[in-house]
Amino acid sequence: EPEVTQTPSHQVTQMGQEVILRCVPISNHLYFYWYRQILGQKVEFLVSFYNNEISEKSEIFDDQFSVERPDGSNFTLKIRSTKLEDSAMYFCASRAGGDTGELFFGEGSRLTVL
Amino acid sequence: RKEVEQDPGPFNVPEGATVAFNCTYSNSASQSFFWYRQDCRKEPKLLMSVYSSGNEDGRFTAQLNRASQYISLLIRDSKLSDSATYLCVVRRGGSARQLTFGSGTQLTVLP
Repeated sequence: EPEVTQTPSHQVTQMGQEVILRCVPISNHLYFYWYRQILGQKVEFLVSFYNNEISEKSEIFDDQFSVERPDGSNFTLKIRSTKLEDSAMYFCASRAGGDTGELFFGEGSRLTVL
Repeated sequence: RKEVEQDPGPFNVPEGATVAFNCTYSNSASQSFFWYRQDCRKEPKLLMSVYSSGNEDGRFTAQLNRASQYISLLIRDSKLSDSATYLCVVRRGGSARQLTFGSGTQLTVLP
């Protein structure tokens, strides 16, 4: 069964450092998403990406965040200067398109900012 | 008011019990509705979509009441493996069709 893969599974970084989280969405999917979940809290939408541009973003997705699809397969989330409150599980997701396309999530990348 | 509200639980039920979860949503423009399941420290996985007519998948029954902006999930004959957090999820229209998650209801099925 095709799946969304994410790397790294866990990253520990110092506050102020840049972090790049990587995702390989399912190959024929068209819409890509990043969500995050702070420990013990709900899953929160960060950003959606379609046709090589951001289609929607939440208020969480400020100037410290950026997304890119550099090579047609990887979909990356960059946090420019990490803060303690960026510590969370970051989930990548993708869907094929259409009205009822199911969203498939990767297993997540746990980010710990010290 | 939160866009999607759920009773956080926890619900601790014996094996074989029937358990019901409720959810309300505030945005009347919401178009699609789902229940997701999330195991501890894992990704959310789609359990079932929710339709206005109500729908059933084995031991799971989902209902939607658009007038009351209310969604429910009923689990019959609960199994130990049903222990998880159940997430009520809504999707608005628009091209991105991003999902909005409730905080989840924790279920533990006890032997």
